Order: sequence, then structure tokens, then C-alpha cells
Amino acid sequence: DAGVTQSPTHLIKTRGQQVTLRCSPKSGHDTVSWYQQALGQGPQFIFQYYEEEERQRGNFPDRFSGHQFPNYSSELNVNALLLGDSALYLCASSFPGDLLDTGELFFGEGSRLTVL
Amino acid sequence: AQSVTQLDSHVSVSEGTPVLLRCNYSSSYSPSLFWYVQHPNKGLQLLLKYTSAATLVKGINGFEAEFKKSETSFHLTKPSAHMSDAAEYFCVVSLEEYGNKLVFGAGTILRVKS
Repeated sequence: DAGVTQSPTHLIKTRGQQVTLRCSPKSGHDTVSWYQQALGQGPQFIFQYYEEEERQRGNFPDRFSGHQFPNYSSELNVNALLLGDSALYLCASSFPGDLLDTGELFFGEGSRLTVL
Repeated sequence: AQSVTQLDSHVSVSEGTPVLLRCNYSSSYSPSLFWYVQHPNKGLQLLLKYTSAATLVKGINGFEAEFKKSETSFHLTKPSAHMSDAAEYFCVVSLEEYGNKLVFGAGTILRVKS
């Protein structure tokens, strides 16, 4: 049973560029959340997708956008990259009820983005 | 406002000795609380959760945590550390006033010496 998979694992971009990160949820899960983990900090919630719609959003600018596909996979897009966007981007999946009932998110290993 | 604070950024223990990782939260409501662990180059994994049932919560790998409302604390403990426990640990809170989103602490890196 495949867990949460993310791609790419590492990438380097320059300021002003755009990046797309991809996530496939754990089999049977239909809710995907994205987190940004800067060096030395805990993950910060970006947004959550369910039924192909953004359901919740954290305090991130509109440069951060996402999408969920009918097969529940998801993309995170970041436009006009800044140096401060350098971080590990984590994808997590869950059943919609689990997020409130158990808090158990299943995380991927992340995509490490470096902005030069 | 900081909703969850991990009091130590690094903790170092010897193998076989007890582990204590401290966490305090701030909330006007009864929160749901969790501990997650992140091993190097691995995804975050849920250790245990408190959701208003028993205040002493047992998790995987011998870890447990006690919810103390009067102290607004949710410290993580283990009687005897193992080398494989070396990792980063995150205290996490789910607060109604934040729409039940998970809010992570800054993390505590646990080092286990042989």
C-alpha cells in the first residue's frame, strides 16, 4: 500500500520563477493538505483540498495556489518566487472526518525547494 | 499569538534514560493535542493524540503524554530512550478558534547518546 508520494524531491529555482509541486495521497484518502516547513521551524499550514476545492487556507499570499484532480492527487503552485520561499513543502492526506476526529495526517517526505 | 510552545529546541539523553519533551499550549477552549515525530529524510508520523478522553495518552514506541489543563501542558515522556528515538518531535494543537487546523510547534530535536 503506497503512502503519500511527492515529486520532485529536490529542486532549485531563481527568484521570480514559478514552481509546481505534486502529491499523490495515500490509497483511499481524498483530502490533501499542504504545509511549508522552513529550516528550523515546524510545518505551517498552507491550504487543504477536498472534492477538488480549497476548503481551508492558512496565512499565505495568493502567490500560493493549488489544485486537486478527480483522482485526489494535488498540485501546489508558487508564483513569483522569493528567497523566503525556500523550504521543505510537505503534503499530507487524510479522510475528511479524520482531520477533526483523530488529527492523523499521513505525510509524504516532502519536496525541498531552494530559491536562489 | 503563539498557540503552542515547545520549551526546548534540543534535548540530549543517554540510551536507557528517561525522555521528557515539554510542550505548552494557549487556548481559551479545550484543544485537541498531538505529538508527531520526524525522522531524517522520512515523513512526519503521528505518535499519539489527546481528544478530551483520558488525560494520560499512550502512543507508539513506548511514548506517552499527559494533558494537564491547569498547567496548559502536554509533555511527552518515555521511560527508557532507545537509539532509534533520535528524531525531531513536534507538539501540535488543533484549535477551534483556528478552524481546527493543525498548528505545529517549532520542534524539539532529540539526541540519544550511546
